[in-house]
Amino acid sequence: QSVLTQPPSVSGAPGLRITISCTGSSSNIGAGYDVHWYQQLPGTAPKLLIYGNKNRPSGVPDRFSGSKSGTSASLAITGLQAEDEADYYCQSYDSRLEGWVFGGGTKLAVL
Amino acid sequence: QVQLVQSGTEVKKPGASVTVSCKASGYTFGTYGINWVRQAPGQGLEWLGWMSTSNGKTNYAQMFQGRVTMTTDTSTTTAYMELRSLTSDDTAVYYCGRVVTGYYRMDYWGQGTLVTVSS
Repeated sequence: QSVLTQPPSVSGAPGLRITISCTGSSSNIGAGYDVHWYQQLPGTAPKLLIYGNKNRPSGVPDRFSGSKSGTSASLAITGLQAEDEADYYCQSYDSRLEGWVFGGGTKLAVL
Repeated sequence: QVQLVQSGTEVKKPGASVTVSCKASGYTFGTYGINWVRQAPGQGLEWLGWMSTSNGKTNYAQMFQGRVTMTTDTSTTTAYMELRSLTSDDTAVYYCGRVVTGYYRMDYWGQGTLVTVSS
């Protein structure tokens, strides 16, 4: 299983808000390493969505936001749109493993 | 604009090796590292390792140490990832990604290279 834990799936109706959690431990998120989020649309490569826990790269709508607290992080999406249907992955660094770690991914369905 | 263009689909037999290339353009190659990540069919993302394009330093994921080698050719701004002793478990899409120096994040990704291992 993945070092970072995410729910396998979440769903929401258009226009509503959802959150995706990412739970780590004292050797990664809890050690102060940043959490980054990637969006993977069907059949495409992942794309950086949130970096440094809460920052959005240029071009990412402000409907997407990130936060981090303790050994966990969250991705929030407001005003859900059909085009948001994708897989979402959190990622950090782990000092015990001395390497990058990913969450198992969360599939978002917009109902 | 920043682009990472990877080599094409590969089909290999068990026990063979594969080399995937990643041609970078649109930025100063030596100021960003290169990561390699893979995704097995229907599965999540798995980190293989990182390489500095400025000094050749590498950091391989523990489970791939001894089986993976990452290199770069600065004259052609191309990164390479060789994986040896392939098994069916190595069937996956392999991605390269640009790593912001000093930060553990990939801000641009290649399009992916499908590697199929089958007898």
